[in-house]
Amino acid sequence: DTEVTQTPKHLVMGMTNKKSLKCEQHMGHRAMYWYKQKAKKPPELMFVYSYEKLSINESVPSRFSPECPNSSLLNLHLHALQPEDSALYLCASSQGRGSNEQYFGPGTRLTVT
Amino acid sequence: QQPVQSPQAVILREGEDAVINCSSSKALYSVHWYRQKHGEAPVFLMILLKGGEQKGHEKISASFNEKKQQSSLYLTASQLSYSGTYFCGTQGAQKLVFGQGTRLTINP
Repeated sequence: DTEVTQTPKHLVMGMTNKKSLKCEQHMGHRAMYWYKQKAKKPPELMFVYSYEKLSINESVPSRFSPECPNSSLLNLHLHALQPEDSALYLCASSQGRGSNEQYFGPGTRLTVT
Repeated sequence: QQPVQSPQAVILREGEDAVINCSSSKALYSVHWYRQKHGEAPVFLMILLKGGEQKGHEKISASFNEKKQQSSLYLTASQLSYSGTYFCGTQGAQKLVFGQGTRLTINP
């Protein structure tokens, strides 16, 4: 099973809302990632978790808060977002943090109104 | 540092070949190639770990020239299913940085 699942597929939220994005993998991977992708742009790394610990935070604003409850799950908590945060949010996983292929989930299309 | 891909876009007829280049101003330790179709997630194609390494996947292959700090993706006898945006990713400091992408359109 090489599947990474993400929920919800689409999310519309107001600037005062609090919502969460969820990601799950059952491949036994120990590294999980959040990326943000704007239209016609490459994915941009936001966070990396390695062995359930946050190892990389790419200077992401605090209105994005990641959480890794266990080795299979990754959440991204959203609060007080701005319209410019509207994007496709991709979750990925890999065996380790190094030069290993990453498997991406289908993404959550987020619209902030 | 983001790798630079060229060309930015390619339009081919089915059966034609294409080459996509990826270069970096920094030393490369590994190069990843991904394809993303419109509205879908990026899909891993291959990873090259050593200079001089070449890999193939069906009619898609890639090479890695460590000295020149570049990699090339070769698509031969292209099929309609090859359409999409191709990203190279360079691995450094434990994170992957993607190039800006090359949009490939295959017409019948």
